[in-house]
Amino acid sequence: ETGVTQTPRHLVMGMTNKKSLKCEQHLGHNAMYWYKQSAKKPLELMFVYSLEERVENNSVPSRFSPECPNSSHLFLHLHTLQPEDSALYLCASSPYGAGELFFGEGSRLTVL
Amino acid sequence: GESVGLHLPTLSVQEGDNSIINCAYSNSASDYFIWYKQESGKGPQFIIDIRSNMDKRQGQRVTVLLNKTVKHLSLQIAATQPGDSAVYFCAEPFSGGYNKLIFGAGTRLAVHP
Repeated sequence: ETGVTQTPRHLVMGMTNKKSLKCEQHLGHNAMYWYKQSAKKPLELMFVYSLEERVENNSVPSRFSPECPNSSHLFLHLHTLQPEDSALYLCASSPYGAGELFFGEGSRLTVL
Repeated sequence: GESVGLHLPTLSVQEGDNSIINCAYSNSASDYFIWYKQESGKGPQFIIDIRSNMDKRQGQRVTVLLNKTVKHLSLQIAATQPGDSAVYFCAEPFSGGYNKLIFGAGTRLAVHP
């Protein structure tokens, strides 16, 4: 148990579906992150939220839409994805400005 | 959480031997480095970090060495155990005041009994 919980752990969706990934952290951190880990690239930063405000959008296509309603929750809304979006999506949290990220176990996404 | 499909460099060691995992970085202005371990089916987990004003930092069975002259970082694991089998990543933060970490490609460590 890392203190960062991701659901679902596995998701299979068609290209026309809309789904969401959820992340919840119980560590009192005020920064949260989405990373993508795929066969082609090991760990790519997608989004950073600090104090519930998005501070980084790392050139991610608009079919990925993050939402951070409060400092404990982070969502990644998925819409009209492509098969190449199949990957492990990792959520992480940290104290603002601190060196260590705490990762969840990831949501394995397969797009058919 | 495994990097399926990636042709990661693999280090194979015998149980009980010492392991050395290497990482090269390109930004000479980087002042902080972190090592993460990712076991199969799990997210990356922090192991140890080091600031650029240090050459060496020791943890429990792990040591990180930093050579700023050649921009090289290494992670040494003493008396490697089967539970050490994982993919190991080095990471460095970009600027910004928050942890925008850039990860290396990773090295797979396989420990054989």
